[in-house]
Amino acid sequence: AQSVAQPEDQVNVAEGNPLTVKCTYSVSGNPYLFWYVQYPNRGLQFLLKYITGDNLVKGSYGFEAEFNKSQTSFHLKKPSALVSDSALYFCAVRDFYGGRDDKIIFGKGTRLHILP
Amino acid sequence: DSGVTQTPKHLITATGQRVTLRCSPRSGDLSVYWYQQSLDQGLQFLIQYYNGEERAKGNILERFSAQQFPDLHSELNLSSLELGDSALYFCASGTSGSFYEQYFGPGTRLTVT
Repeated sequence: AQSVAQPEDQVNVAEGNPLTVKCTYSVSGNPYLFWYVQYPNRGLQFLLKYITGDNLVKGSYGFEAEFNKSQTSFHLKKPSALVSDSALYFCAVRDFYGGRDDKIIFGKGTRLHILP
Repeated sequence: DSGVTQTPKHLITATGQRVTLRCSPRSGDLSVYWYQQSLDQGLQFLIQYYNGEERAKGNILERFSAQQFPDLHSELNLSSLELGDSALYFCASGTSGSFYEQYFGPGTRLTVT
């Protein structure tokens, strides 16, 4: 069955340090993988996606993610964290069945705190 | 601002009632997706419409229904409301029919009392 896991409810990082937010997935076919960010009282904002091609995907606001097929992971990374990166981050996976059975599953979210 | 609008922003109603949530997608987007976000269930995909037709169905209850109109705006109808339906309901839009990047609206907070 299709699933996505974000093993950490919260991640704390000092400003200026590199950050990683973890995501693992399970799908029956080839995954489409996404990262979204949610700021307080706002809707989600798209950060980046992996469909095919280069395993390292670059996205908005300096974020990137690495697709690792053998470990079924899609961790979100940033080389140097900013206080303004503090938010709730969601990983999502789409499993392609074709047509009306297509589904997207979101992880439970990881709250990222960047400490000044 | 994502360009997706949702009305109303807040809605308070009683159990057993019916409500309609409205969504206007970004200009040019053909797909509309509906999601429910709650503390216990997280973010759940409900249903997708593409250019007026139902395209994909997620965890949508039979008491809930949606449609997309010719001008591409969409409505989510929730009936026989229960306390557990209290949640944030998001609409998102996208250009393709295939769950590519989605642009989320600000949400409608529904409280059922």
